[in-house]
Amino acid sequence: DAKTTQPNSMESNEEEPVHLPCNHSTISGTDYIHWYRQLPSQGPEYVIHGLTSNVNNRMASLAIAEDRKSSTLILHRATLRDAAVYYCILRDGRLGNEKLTFGTGTRLTIIP
Amino acid sequence: GAVVSQHPSWVICKSGTSVKIECRSLDFQATTMFWYRQFPKQSLMLMATSNEGSKATYEQGVEKDKFLINHASLTLSTLTVTSAHPEDSSFYICSARRQGPGELFFGEGSRLTVL
Repeated sequence: DAKTTQPNSMESNEEEPVHLPCNHSTISGTDYIHWYRQLPSQGPEYVIHGLTSNVNNRMASLAIAEDRKSSTLILHRATLRDAAVYYCILRDGRLGNEKLTFGTGTRLTIIP
Repeated sequence: GAVVSQHPSWVICKSGTSVKIECRSLDFQATTMFWYRQFPKQSLMLMATSNEGSKATYEQGVEKDKFLINHASLTLSTLTVTSAHPEDSSFYICSARRQGPGELFFGEGSRLTVL
């Protein structure tokens, strides 16, 4: 799987937007960009995924660079419950290549 | 949304005993499930891919005789840690993919402590 690079940690104030960056310069044409987050002592939770176009859902937005070598997860209004480790993962979209390989992720701290 | 459930959520056992962890997809059928292990303050490490009706595919460095995986039905996969030792103490997490959408669903995790 192609690798991703994320900052180890970030802090944000409560009720402010958060932009979590991810670099994936070796992304291939069949790789989808997935974001998961993990709260303490829980399994990962799906956040969002995309291929080329920006994506929005109830949890977050995903902005994908035109060359697809980087992306940004946007939490529009952070709450204390958003404190977690956020993982940016590339997943091969071809049938049979379904596993997710986790990197170190970004530990997001929300300041009240 | 789809739910994946693990049982037990935590278990303590003596060294040398075997422990079985179950992973169930509650509202969908999963032909493929994945087992991960996570040590404190580290990321998830993929151990194996569990395929319904066939043998599991193990990642490099994971002992297949130590970590037995059975995927007997479309909704259940089990991970058995055989002859557990303290170094096997970890957080074990399973995930499952529903047919069609790209999203993987994760269980709540099972914390194993070997004394």
